Parts: sequence; C-alpha cells; structure tokens
Amino acid sequence: QVQLKESGPGLVQPSQTLSLTCTVSGFSLTSNSVHWVRQPPGKGLEWVGAIWSGGSTDYNSALKSRLSISRDTSKSQVFLKMNSLQTEDTAIYFCTRLSYWGQGVMVTVSS
Amino acid sequence: DIVMTQAPLSVSVTPGESASISCRSSKSLLHSNGITYVYWYLQKPGKSPQLLIYRMSNLASGVPDRFSGSGSETDFTLKISRVEAEDVGIYYCGQLLENPFTFGSGTKLEIK
Repeated sequence: QVQLKESGPGLVQPSQTLSLTCTVSGFSLTSNSVHWVRQPPGKGLEWVGAIWSGGSTDYNSALKSRLSISRDTSKSQVFLKMNSLQTEDTAIYFCTRLSYWGQGVMVTVSS
Repeated sequence: DIVMTQAPLSVSVTPGESASISCRSSKSLLHSNGITYVYWYLQKPGKSPQLLIYRMSNLASGVPDRFSGSGSETDFTLKISRVEAEDVGIYYCGQLLENPFTFGSGTKLEIK
C-alpha cells in the first residue's frame, strides 16, 4: 500500500528556513520520483520541485535559488529545505508521486 | 512556463446529468513519444488532490468509469457522466511535460 506522509513545523518565522520530511512506504525511492506541491490557503496548486528515481532533482525556477530537495533511501525519506521564507510561502505542502498524495502539512510563515 | 487555462470557473450540475470541464495549454503537451502529458485531479473539500486521468485519456486506478478524458495537443476535456453527490470539489488539469509542471486554476463543481 503506497503511502506518503509529510512532517515538519507548522509555524516558521519570516526569513528563516523551512525543513519538511516526507516518509514513504509501499514503494522504493530508487524506482519512483517524489514531488513537492504546495497550495496557499484558498488557492490552486503550485509545483515546487522533484527528486527523481536516480537522485537528480528539478526545481521550480521561481523557487530554485531558495530550495533544496534530497533523500535518504535507507530511511525512505525525502527532504525539502527552503530558505528565506516570506509570508507568501504560507501554504499546505504536499508530498506526492503525482498519482498518490500525502495528506499535506500546513506551514504558516509569521512572526 | 506552460500556462493551463481552465473553464468554467464553476459548474452546478443536477445529479444524474453530465458535466464537462475544459482545459487549454499554452503549448502542445504532445511528446515525441506520442504521449500527451495532461493530467486531471479532483480535490474534495479538506482533502488532498486525487488523480482521475493520466496522460490525457487513461483512467486512474479505482476511479469510476463515469470519468473520461479527451483532447488534442493543446485542448483537453474532462467529462463526468451521471454526476453524483460525491463528485463535488475542485477539478484541476495539470501538465507534466516540462519543468515547471503547472496546473490550471481549478473548476469548482457543485450539486444543484
């Protein structure tokens, strides 16, 4: 059974760094890509980036300078790090295979 | 970036009737491998998106066959036959052809 579950802080201060973890089960990270997609409150979906089965990454060019996605295959975990957070980064962050989706984690950027 | 434009913004449907949602891309989503990389998702209230249609016309696992996808290289349609109350939510089209992957702004389906 494929599952993805996001975890991380619900509140981050402006200019600080966001660190999120996606723990997966039911599939191998070395055979499947994992993506991050975010959704600001009441708005649509924005693709953030991905780590591919081979370990290479792709980022949304609008976020690329602040973003890093990595993984630990031994722990079946994917990590997102985004620095210099601003209020516009407030959103639900989803970890997804684009077929299967995690439940999402709400991240609020506020002092 | 490829822009995905959906219409209408919202649709109200009587149970048992059909509904169609349109999506247009600013660039052809037909890859040289013959696959058209447009996907359809439904986000029910308070839930994560769920995949309905992949690669323009393929029904995702577990999705009722009341849902179908069709289109050309830049114009796509999601059709829902015999709409049920459980179909309410926001429908998104998305292109997974090139970075950055992008989504339409969504179409809200309501039941009359």
